[in-house]
Amino acid sequence: EDQVTQSPEALRLQEGESSSLNCSYTVSGLRGLFWYRQDPGKGPEFLFTLYSAGEEKEKERLKATLTKKESFLHITAPKPEDSATYLCAVQADRDDKIIFGKGTRLHILP
Amino acid sequence: DAGVIQSPRHEVTEMGQEVTLRCKPISGHDYLFWYRQTMMRGLELLIYFNNNVPIDDSGMPEDRFSAKMPNASFSTLKIQPSEPRDSAVYFCASSFGEGNTEAFFGQGTRLTVV
Repeated sequence: EDQVTQSPEALRLQEGESSSLNCSYTVSGLRGLFWYRQDPGKGPEFLFTLYSAGEEKEKERLKATLTKKESFLHITAPKPEDSATYLCAVQADRDDKIIFGKGTRLHILP
Repeated sequence: DAGVIQSPRHEVTEMGQEVTLRCKPISGHDYLFWYRQTMMRGLELLIYFNNNVPIDDSGMPEDRFSAKMPNASFSTLKIQPSEPRDSAVYFCASSFGEGNTEAFFGQGTRLTVV
């Protein structure tokens, strides 16, 4: 069964304190791995898609990386506006389901 | 494009009543997904459609849940009869094409069953 596990569940950082969020996955044939950001009361907002091990993508203070078993979302010098829940999801190559992890709640203190 | 549109944004109903949630996907998208989000279980995939046809409904929790997509621009998720454990935020998402394409989410419907 496809599975996505994110850690930590919650993370509090000071503004400017860099860190990484982890997404471990088990899927029989990865088609794509997605990162989303979700603000309170809103739907998830797409950030990145990664397709193969070794791939990296960047957007402002965020960088996503992918290995054969996990993905990391690196946050460099975060600001309070980066506070949100970050969700990881995978899509297997045998169907079109998108399966989500439970997310990491990130809080950046000013 | 206005994005994925869901209605209503909030719904409060009594146990045993029928509830219908509505979704308008992004124009041109051929995949539509219904998710349920709770603190305990996170985002769970309930059902998804491709070209208006239900492909996988294995996530639908019980026969009380049903979903339809009568045309490319409209889908409904119905719960009959509703129960307090159905209280959650329900999201609709749409995407275009096979392969590695991201899904775009609506704002969700917060359902409370009392």
